[in-house]
Amino acid sequence: GEDVEQSLFLSVREGDSSVINCTYTDSSSTYLYWYKQEPGAGLQLLTYIFSNMDMKQDQRLTVLLNKKDKHLSLRIADTQTGDSAIYFCAERALKTIFGAGTRLFVKA
Amino acid sequence: DSGVTQTPKHLITATGQRVTLRCSPRSGDLSVYWYQQSLDQGLQFLIQYYNGEERAKGNILERFSAQQFPDLHSELNLSSLELGDSALYFCASSAPWDSTDTQYFGPGTRLTVL
Repeated sequence: GEDVEQSLFLSVREGDSSVINCTYTDSSSTYLYWYKQEPGAGLQLLTYIFSNMDMKQDQRLTVLLNKKDKHLSLRIADTQTGDSAIYFCAERALKTIFGAGTRLFVKA
Repeated sequence: DSGVTQTPKHLITATGQRVTLRCSPRSGDLSVYWYQQSLDQGLQFLIQYYNGEERAKGNILERFSAQQFPDLHSELNLSSLELGDSALYFCASSAPWDSTDTQYFGPGTRLTVL
């Protein structure tokens, strides 16, 4: 069945790069997304990548897609304390499936 | 601000009661999705409506129901509430013309069942 998996926690030091990983199972995925959820707030779309792309860069964010391994990653360069949040990976095939979210802790 | 609004922001009620959560999608969006987020279950998809019709169903309990009205706002009804129904309930919407089918989330309703 369709499934999206992410590690639950990641801790980094301020100024370092963060890499959040995600794996999915549906090879017919068309779009893959990264959402950010800050405490007490709803999910906010950070970026998305079309399934025929390998990489997408947007300022401090870099998304890498390995379609063969069904692996998606989000790299945040120069991580700041304001990046502390839960990051959700999602894939869209016939419907959109969300992962459980990775909680990013940024230590000052 | 995503443009999706949800009311109320907080709701505290007792077991056995019934509540209604309301969602207004972004202007022009026809799809509305409901999700439940709890600490132990993560983000669970409940149900989707498209232009008033049920489109997809997820892990929605029989005690829960939803509908989308002609003005496209949606309501999620939760009845015979149990302690385990305490959670954040999110609504999201998406546009029919958006090929990425990106969902835009509201700020959520925090339900506490005592």
